[in-house]
Amino acid sequence: RKEVEQDPGPFNVPEGATVAFNCTYSNSASQSFFWYRQDCRKEPKLLMSVYSSGNEDGRFTAQLNRASQYISLLIRDSKLSDSATYLCVVNLASGGSYIPTFGRGTSLIVHP
Amino acid sequence: DTGVSQDPRHKITKRGQNVTFRCDPISEHNRLYWYRQTLGQGPEFLTYFQNEAQLEKSRLLSDRFSAERPKGSFSTLEIQRTEQGDSAMYLCASSLTYRVELRDNNEQFFGPGTRLTVL
Repeated sequence: RKEVEQDPGPFNVPEGATVAFNCTYSNSASQSFFWYRQDCRKEPKLLMSVYSSGNEDGRFTAQLNRASQYISLLIRDSKLSDSATYLCVVNLASGGSYIPTFGRGTSLIVHP
Repeated sequence: DTGVSQDPRHKITKRGQNVTFRCDPISEHNRLYWYRQTLGQGPEFLTYFQNEAQLEKSRLLSDRFSAERPKGSFSTLEIQRTEQGDSAMYLCASSLTYRVELRDNNEQFFGPGTRLTVL
């Protein structure tokens, strides 16, 4: 089992739709969780950190469920420009330190 | 532009040659990370530095790979005796990491990457 798992998709949705991605992690001692966005042939860009209480930034909402060991990203009112790969990152506990560990990413395609 | 920069952007080399990549982080950032990314996969952690100290190195990392950050500013990643399997995008990221309630806040900012092709 991979340490950080994401459904690779693609998720194919119409403009205006609401779409949600999950990301599961293996180590309950993990801390610090993030979502990044990566466009084709570009570097990842930070989308948002994920806080224990959940957080919202415009159309984007991120949540953490420690009991079930997953984080989620909800995108409301999808835009064409949201088409990208969404990567989750978990700081996995490893021998006294924490290693930032990426999932393989979930591909989102928003169509007209 | 005060973002993370990487040089070169592309490198083509023959199997068995050594290559070196450079990363210049955002100036006030204390941590610097190296990752490798192949098609369809997320970035794979290689190593990271806190200032000039190399704190973690992936157990999967071959001893052909070495990284330095001699003055706590820029970093270099060297791959010796390259193999075709080393072909990938090599990404560098930096963060201003501080601890909040036993949790590291390490929002990372990535450079554009160096694409390595080993023939």
